[in-house]
Amino acid sequence: QVQLVQSGGEMKKPGASVKVSCKASGYSFISYGISWVRQAPGQGLEWMGWLSPYNGNTNYAQKFLGRVTMTTDKSTSTAHMELRSLRSDDTAVYYCARGNTAAGGDHLYYYMDVWGVGTTVTVSS
Amino acid sequence: DIQMTQSPSSLSASVGDRVTITCRASETISSYLNWYQQKPGQAPELLIYAASTLQSGVPSRFSGSGSGTDFTLTISSLQPEDFATYYCQQTYTMGIFTFGPGTKVDIK
Repeated sequence: QVQLVQSGGEMKKPGASVKVSCKASGYSFISYGISWVRQAPGQGLEWMGWLSPYNGNTNYAQKFLGRVTMTTDKSTSTAHMELRSLRSDDTAVYYCARGNTAAGGDHLYYYMDVWGVGTTVTVSS
Repeated sequence: DIQMTQSPSSLSASVGDRVTITCRASETISSYLNWYQQKPGQAPELLIYAASTLQSGVPSRFSGSGSGTDFTLTISSLQPEDFATYYCQQTYTMGIFTFGPGTKVDIK
């Protein structure tokens, strides 16, 4: 079945970097985008960025520019999200999600239809 | 960037109630609007995309409407498993997507 399996939880000190992985299975990895979304404790969903496994194109939310890098490894159908210069307020559950599209007239609608279970990243000294 | 707001931020309802949640975009987004449900400790799940298209497998008591800047999610008859937090998301600007702040639906 279609699934995204994420790497395990991480504990990091302020200033460090973290790299979260997301392994896809059950579908053609290069045919769908991957988005990364995070959720701080007790807070809402925050979209971080998107990448295309097909050509490596990325778009990052303004807030994370310069601190985040999203990459893919097509040989293993795995997406990675690296966040640098960690702060305590980066403590959150990080999700990857598959981006799907649907055509409607002249429009191409994008949505996230399969999600990983999340990776907890804790930043603390 | 396009900003999303939702109302109410929370609501209390009973099983069988009709529930409506509103989402508003800071500028027109046509029908580029998705709805997700999230239960505590779980990943979000897609309910509706393109403002009104029900995702496969989602019960028909869920429906979405709207276009431009104003959208609604309606649950026609609330079930026990529907108590959760609901998020809207705009995907108008390709590659720059944003979520609303969420609406928590709990038991009255």
